[in-house]
Amino acid sequence: DGGITQSPKYLFRKEGQNVTLSCEQNLNHDAMYWYRQDPGQGLRLIYYSQIVNDFQKGDIAEGYSVSREKKESFPLTVTSAQKNPTAFYLCASSIVQRRGSGNTIYFGEGSWLTVV
Amino acid sequence: SQELEQSPQSLIVQEGKNLTINCTSSKTLYGLYWYKQKYGEGLIFLMMLQKGGEEKSHEKITAKLDEKKQQSSLHITASQPSHAGIYLCGADAGYKLIFGTGTRLQVFP
Repeated sequence: DGGITQSPKYLFRKEGQNVTLSCEQNLNHDAMYWYRQDPGQGLRLIYYSQIVNDFQKGDIAEGYSVSREKKESFPLTVTSAQKNPTAFYLCASSIVQRRGSGNTIYFGEGSWLTVV
Repeated sequence: SQELEQSPQSLIVQEGKNLTINCTSSKTLYGLYWYKQKYGEGLIFLMMLQKGGEEKSHEKITAKLDEKKQQSSLHITASQPSHAGIYLCGADAGYKLIFGTGTRLQVFP
């Protein structure tokens, strides 16, 4: 089946550790995104990538890093520099997005990250 | 920067009742997306509207975009427990979507 797979579903991190969240898609989409969701704040964009080997910072990129070595993969690393990493993380993908294009952005099932 | 405001924040209705969720943008909308989310799960795409006055329906859910393209509404007819969840509107902001804070819907028998 086509879709977006995020792993792990639940992840616990000790303070000072870096952790990496995996996101894989088989929809042949060029664009991929990472959003963070906190209660009562909707979704905020962390990073996005429109093409392999290129990515851009979103609205809350501090403390996060990404790579885009393959079209189907866009892993997110939450570094120790991220002060408040406990949140729900959502990966998404689409055909390259331009204003007014009307392309649908599809989301994975999300990953819960908790700092212990 | 563009902001989306959803209302109400929370809604509790009896099964069989109709309900409406509103999404208001601070700027003209180039595209407005509606998603549904079960708590702790991913977003499921419902509908996307682009033209002023446009209306789309899927099963018992109807979404409209006003003529000025600054407000959208999502209407559910004869609500069922399966409609429960969080409804999010998202605005086309070029390379990304900007989201409202969501409306939590509960449907009781």
